[in-house]
Amino acid sequence: GAGVSQTPSNKVTEKGKYVELRCDPISGHTALYWYRQSLGQGPEFLIYFQGTGAADDSGLPNDRFFAVRPEGSVSTLKIQRTERGDSAVYLCASSRLAGGQETQYFGPGTRLLVL
Amino acid sequence: DAKTTQPTSMDCAEGRAANLPCNHSTISGNEYVYWYRQIHSQGPQYIIHGLKNNETNEMASLIITEDRKSSTLILPHATLRDTAVYYCIVRRRVGGANNLFFGTGTRLTVIP
Repeated sequence: GAGVSQTPSNKVTEKGKYVELRCDPISGHTALYWYRQSLGQGPEFLIYFQGTGAADDSGLPNDRFFAVRPEGSVSTLKIQRTERGDSAVYLCASSRLAGGQETQYFGPGTRLLVL
Repeated sequence: DAKTTQPTSMDCAEGRAANLPCNHSTISGNEYVYWYRQIHSQGPQYIIHGLKNNETNEMASLIITEDRKSSTLILPHATLRDTAVYYCIVRRRVGGANNLFFGTGTRLTVIP
């Protein structure tokens, strides 16, 4: 079946603007994760959803970052007042269930560049 | 979740076996060893995972030492398409963080 998809694949914006990044998980997967990857680094956790609720948002760097998953499927990561330091690849992953035995499947990422 | 240590980079000749080591000396009995890889400009891709027994699938083999403090990912016949960053991750079976902690991984370069 289809994998995790993310849109847009690339986003260029100006400092101070608002951006939304979308993630479509694998159908039937209840857990959804957002990660951020800076150049030369491994992905870093941002937030995780179990169903519609954010079960762990401890990785969000500050209150400019927010994510929703209103119907328990598609998720949107929202960044307000973007800064140049927000430039990174934003990765989404989903798994059938949450937990250490569940494999996470990743999308191709959205490359965000803040000028 | 326990942290892992991997070499920064490795080279492997095309057609040869690539053996990627990982140390996880603080691993506990209820933690799995997971391997992911990330090919340039793509999202991470699941490879394999194990608890204490050796595992094999169509992509790779995972050898875990008896004391579980280290493991080796084996790509039996490396191809140029296997050039990627390989991440070794340990995760609890239940409880603990649900996210993956990637670290910086091993950059494997397969040489023609």
